[in-house]
Amino acid sequence: GAVVSQHPSRVICKSGTSVKIECRSLDFQATTMFWYRQFPKQSLMLMATSNEGSKATYEQGVEKDKFLINHASLTLSTLTVTSAHPEDSSFYICSASKAGELRETQYFGPGTRLLVL
Amino acid sequence: KQEVTQIPAALSVPEGENLVLNCSFTDSAIYNLQWFRQDPGKGLTSLLLIQSSQREQTSGRLNASLDKSSGRSTLYIAASQPGDSATYLCAVAGSYQLTFGKGTKLSVIP
Repeated sequence: GAVVSQHPSRVICKSGTSVKIECRSLDFQATTMFWYRQFPKQSLMLMATSNEGSKATYEQGVEKDKFLINHASLTLSTLTVTSAHPEDSSFYICSASKAGELRETQYFGPGTRLLVL
Repeated sequence: KQEVTQIPAALSVPEGENLVLNCSFTDSAIYNLQWFRQDPGKGLTSLLLIQSSQREQTSGRLNASLDKSSGRSTLYIAASQPGDSATYLCAVAGSYQLTFGKGTKLSVIP
């Protein structure tokens, strides 16, 4: 199997606070993890790609100082939304690719719904 | 830059009908194409993955085809059921990343 979990599944926070979302590969080592954001009725948009032990690569238009990504181990990546604002409210989904498989094969987590008040 | 378009954006059919969802992409240099299902407020469930060298894949009542040269894929659902109601996403794998379409929201009416 290739199971990816995310925690929390949903979070509500006040504007200006920071929120951390965890993404874990439960039964495999993930050489690369991806973070996506999905606004209502929109497609998933890649935010950043992270490899274990190195800095994340951010897509154009994604602020790296606002969306902090840490990929400290082969099974865990975290996304921290710093100083969250209502416009950051969205559905955040992570995915992971297995060691030994192509990066194009990704296993997706169940997503985290963030609501910033 | 790869762009993925899904038509229609929404579709409503009576139970039992066969239906086709369409996906088109602009750059034919792809590794594979994948169809996902997404239920409201949930993550993605992979349905079918077609490698660039393949023409189609089948799983149960689902059949996906790929015409890489024309930049098109279709997802065929036979004998639709209310439980098939969801948003169906098409994703194209290029160089190290997936590009998603906006999805087709399917409603199957009992």
